Amino acid sequence: GIQVEQSPPDLILQEGANSTLRCNFSDSVNNLQWFHQNPWGQLINLFYIPSGTKQNGRLSATTVATERYSLLYISSSQTTDSGVYFCAWYSGTYKYIFGTGTRLKVLA
Amino acid sequence: DTGVSQDPRHKITKRGQNVTFRCDPISEHNRLYWYRQTLGQGPEFLTYFQNEAQLEKSRLLSDRFSAERPKGSFSTLEIQRTEQGDSAMYLCASSFGGTGANVLTFGAGSRLTVL
Repeated sequence: GIQVEQSPPDLILQEGANSTLRCNFSDSVNNLQWFHQNPWGQLINLFYIPSGTKQNGRLSATTVATERYSLLYISSSQTTDSGVYFCAWYSGTYKYIFGTGTRLKVLA
Repeated sequence: DTGVSQDPRHKITKRGQNVTFRCDPISEHNRLYWYRQTLGQGPEFLTYFQNEAQLEKSRLLSDRFSAERPKGSFSTLEIQRTEQGDSAMYLCASSFGGTGANVLTFGAGSRLTVL
């Protein structure tokens, strides 16, 4: 089956630091989304990014579909960035397949 | 547009009881998904509807699970004869599946605890 792997699994940062989260997938991609799951469990869509680069404030994402990976960049991290970050891969059929997540904790 | 709504947010039940969760998608979205998430794991796909048709079901969806989406609007997920292993967060998502992007929007989830 399709493998969607995320790294690192856990990350602790000091407030103000930058970080890069990675998502590797084992098959060609149609769509890819990045989500942030807050402490209450709500999944918030960050980026829809099947290819190329997008930026939204302190966050940006890049997907290199030909090399089957996507990166999420967080700059000048804040405590509110804490939570779990998931990438979700979509083949173009019906379902998105989620990665294993990166658990981020930002310390004040 | 109030986003994707799920009800109830929390449910505690005893083993063997039946439970039902409801999801109200974003009104113009024709696609609806159910996912299950256990502690420390990513969401796992359960089932998918396009309008009222259930087009895909995961092998995770045992005979005790049934989902419906009458008239292509809200959806229900019923679990019969609950087991402790059913304890999880049940997530609903919707999207507009046209020729463009299929961007998922999730509800806040329904957390089930089976005692």
